[in-house]
Amino acid sequence: QVQLVQSGAEVKKPGASVKVSCKASEYIFTDYYIHWVRQAPGQGLEWMGRINPKNGGTSYAQKFQGRVTMTRDTSISTTYMELSSLRSDDTAVYYCARGSTELWGQGTLATVSS
Amino acid sequence: DIVMTQTPLSLSVTPGQPASISCKSSQSLLHSDGKTYLYWYLQKAGQSPQLLIYEVSSRFSGVPDRFSGSGSGTDFTLKISRVEAEDVGVYYCMQGINVPWTFGQGTKVEI
Repeated sequence: QVQLVQSGAEVKKPGASVKVSCKASEYIFTDYYIHWVRQAPGQGLEWMGRINPKNGGTSYAQKFQGRVTMTRDTSISTTYMELSSLRSDDTAVYYCARGSTELWGQGTLATVSS
Repeated sequence: DIVMTQTPLSLSVTPGQPASISCKSSQSLLHSDGKTYLYWYLQKAGQSPQLLIYEVSSRFSGVPDRFSGSGSGTDFTLKISRVEAEDVGVYYCMQGINVPWTFGQGTKVEI
């Protein structure tokens, strides 16, 4: 069915990078933007940015500029979100969401700990 | 950035009774294309957020008709006509007119 499936949980050390994938199924991958949203433990939702799978164009929240990179591989209908220079407060569940956010991935927990 | 402010932050409701959540934006969400980019989500415990309402008042596919959205410009409301036990969770509003898209703080609804 139409779905977004994300990669599994990650544990990283401070200063490292994490790369989360989001694979689209059963729809035309290039027809919809993909957004990335994160949620720290017990906190609210925070929009990080979006990518246009058709041309790879991106928009990032200022907060993450210089640390986040969103890319896509159209051959496998997958988008990626890489966050670098990780800190403990980057520990969160990272979600991908399609288009007008009508479809969400299951979330990927990234834990940053020494 | 557009600031989204929800009230109340928590709400205790009785099944079968109505409930209402307010969301105010720091600037108008009316786009030049005539649409207003205000969304409502419900996040149940341990789950991904789910879209309830888009463009102020349009119910997403499969969303029960006890959920309704209203408002314009900077003031918006989500109403549940008769709360059911399955409606517990955290409700968020979000604006999608300007990057960065921004969310309200969330309203926790419990029975």
